[in-house]
Amino acid sequence: DTAVSQTPKYLVTQMGNDKSIKCEQNLGHDTMYWYKQDSKKFLKIMFSYNNKELIINETVPNRFSPKSPDKAHLNLHINSLELGDSAVYFCASSQTGGAPTEAFFGQGTRLTVV
Amino acid sequence: AQKITQTQPGMFVQEKEAVTLDCTYDTSDQSYGLFWYKQPSSGEMIFLIYQGSYDEQNATEGRYSLNFQKARKSANLVISASQLGDSAMYFCAMREKNSGYALNFGKGTSLLVTP
Repeated sequence: DTAVSQTPKYLVTQMGNDKSIKCEQNLGHDTMYWYKQDSKKFLKIMFSYNNKELIINETVPNRFSPKSPDKAHLNLHINSLELGDSAVYFCASSQTGGAPTEAFFGQGTRLTVV
Repeated sequence: AQKITQTQPGMFVQEKEAVTLDCTYDTSDQSYGLFWYKQPSSGEMIFLIYQGSYDEQNATEGRYSLNFQKARKSANLVISASQLGDSAMYFCAMREKNSGYALNFGKGTSLLVTP
């Protein structure tokens, strides 16, 4: 069983479209994250959700919105896609309460905006 | 300001040799965690090793060890007996309570192991 799974793995779409990336974790972790990895491989935190509450929101355009229906899922919705949104997006989860764990990452979604 | 600094964009090491990947960090928290992740060309993020700020012993996991020097704020990764499969990007990261426990990553070091 995959610990953190995100779909789709590849996403090619036109500028201006709206798209979603789904993420699910079966580890029982209390915190989930979205990271963006740019073309230079730099990984930057976008969002963090702890028990369904947004606890950080780095300087991300409001075209990006995380949605967490429950603590096992954290989806990423992107409106009005732009060329600069092309990147690899990683979902991750970790346990932050009690005995903290390392972050477990999904396999990434390569988004290409054309 | 960059919280995690990895000064080596690229490194070469010969198979079976040891290699040290540098990482320095900046925090005012007393409680924090330091991590190393490996990203092979296939793209997945693989957790390697963790060091807590209060841990007195350096962390070790198989061929990986973390040289933790708290006063110098450094957390270098040492890979012993390098293998061809170790060729990958390596990221140092820090988790702080006041950042919502999210990982702040360095820019990474690309390691190439040669025969």
